[in-house]
Amino acid sequence: GAGVSQSPSNKVTEKGKDVELRCDPISGHTALYWYRQSLGQGLEFLIYFQGNSAPDKSGLPSDRFSAERTGGSVSTLTIQRTQQEDSAVYLCASSLGGHQETQYFGPGTRLLVL
Amino acid sequence: QQQVKQSPQSLIVQKGGISIINCAYENTAFDYFPWYQQFPGKGPALLIAIRPDVSEKKEGRFTISFNKSAKQFSLHIMDSQPGDSATYFCAADRGSTLGRLYFGRGTQLTVWP
Repeated sequence: GAGVSQSPSNKVTEKGKDVELRCDPISGHTALYWYRQSLGQGLEFLIYFQGNSAPDKSGLPSDRFSAERTGGSVSTLTIQRTQQEDSAVYLCASSLGGHQETQYFGPGTRLLVL
Repeated sequence: QQQVKQSPQSLIVQKGGISIINCAYENTAFDYFPWYQQFPGKGPALLIAIRPDVSEKKEGRFTISFNKSAKQFSLHIMDSQPGDSATYFCAADRGSTLGRLYFGRGTQLTVWP
């Protein structure tokens, strides 16, 4: 079946511009996660959606970052006024929901801020 | 603060050898420890996972060893193959954070043929 998909695969933008990254989770998965992967830094948690509950935004690094999930499915991560330090791979994952469930990752969006 | 510490950062092993990657944690609330494998240009994929009520779990050539008292766990890859060359991440999860994973920084494994 279809896995987690992300778009675009690559994004090059200029400092100060806004970007939107999209994630399509596996159908039926109620939980959706965004992580950021920087070189040598592992995966950094950003935000977590679970069903209709309020999202866990505790990992967002600044108020320039926001995310929404419409209809319990597709999610969009928005970065406003991008900075060079935002350059990274942004990974989305989905799961059946909650503790100890396998997270299935998409291929990521590689963001480069010039 | 890195909640899961992983070593080594990189590892080179000859084909047929044993690859060992180590992780340590401080938070005793962690109760689920997955390992993810990532190939270049791909997202991470679950390789094997363990819960702290067992000390070892084996799946094929991959084994997790878990030492609860030392708060350490490790991944052993037996008979390492060139196709195992990838980046490996250990992670930890606790019930109160409902699935959010805390990842180590990763180990880049290269297996020479």
